[in-house]
Amino acid sequence: EDQVTQSPEALRLQEGESSSLNCSYTVSGLRGLFWYRQDPGKGPEFLFTLYSAGEEKEKERLKATLTKKESFLHITAPKPEDSATYLCAVCPNDYKLSFGAGTTVTVRA
Amino acid sequence: DGGITQSPKYLFRKEGQNVTLSCEQNLNHDAMYWYRQDPGQGLRLIYYSQIVNDFQKGDIAEGYSVSREKKESFPLTVTSAQKNPTAFYLCASKDGTQPQHFGDGTRLSIL
Repeated sequence: EDQVTQSPEALRLQEGESSSLNCSYTVSGLRGLFWYRQDPGKGPEFLFTLYSAGEEKEKERLKATLTKKESFLHITAPKPEDSATYLCAVCPNDYKLSFGAGTTVTVRA
Repeated sequence: DGGITQSPKYLFRKEGQNVTLSCEQNLNHDAMYWYRQDPGQGLRLIYYSQIVNDFQKGDIAEGYSVSREKKESFPLTVTSAQKNPTAFYLCASKDGTQPQHFGDGTRLSIL
C-alpha cells in the first residue's frame, strides 16, 4: 500500500528564518511526486512535480528536491505570505494521487 | 478564465437526507476526481472518472454516488448511508499527464 508521511505536522517560523519540510514515501512505482500549497478554506494550488531522484525545482522562495525515499521542500527567507499548509502527494499510476496529511507553516513578521 | 467551480461553498445536511455537491470545469479536462479532507488527514479519494459515462470507486466510496453525463460536470451525492459526512469536499480535474487542478471546495456539516 502506498504511504506518504509528512513532517513536521506544524512549523512556526520567524520572517527570514529558512527551514525545510519533509515528505517520505513508499510506493510501488513512482510516476511523480507533487507539492501543493493550500490556504485555509481553499483548494490545493499546484507548486511542483518531481519525477526522478536528484531532480530539483524552484519557485520564488521555495525549492523542492527528490531522493529515492523522500522529498524536501525548502523555504528560504520566508515571508508571512508563505503561511499555508503544504501538501505532498505521490502518483503510483496515471490516475491516482496518494496524499500526506500536510505541514502547516506559520511565518510571523 | 478557465477553472473548476464547486458549489455551494457551505452545505448542511439533515438526518436521513441525501445532498448533492456540484463540480463544473471549463478546462476541457477528461479526468475528474472527488476527494474528502478531514482535519489532520490527507485527501482521500472518493470517486474518479477518466471519461464521460464512466467512473470508478476510490478508497472511500461507501455512502457516496456520482454521475458523469457531461465532460464538464461531475456531481457527488452524499447519501444517508454515509454516517460521518462532515468534511471538506474537493473536486479536481486533469488532462493527460498534467497535475490535478482543484476547486475551492464545499464544506458539508450536519444539522
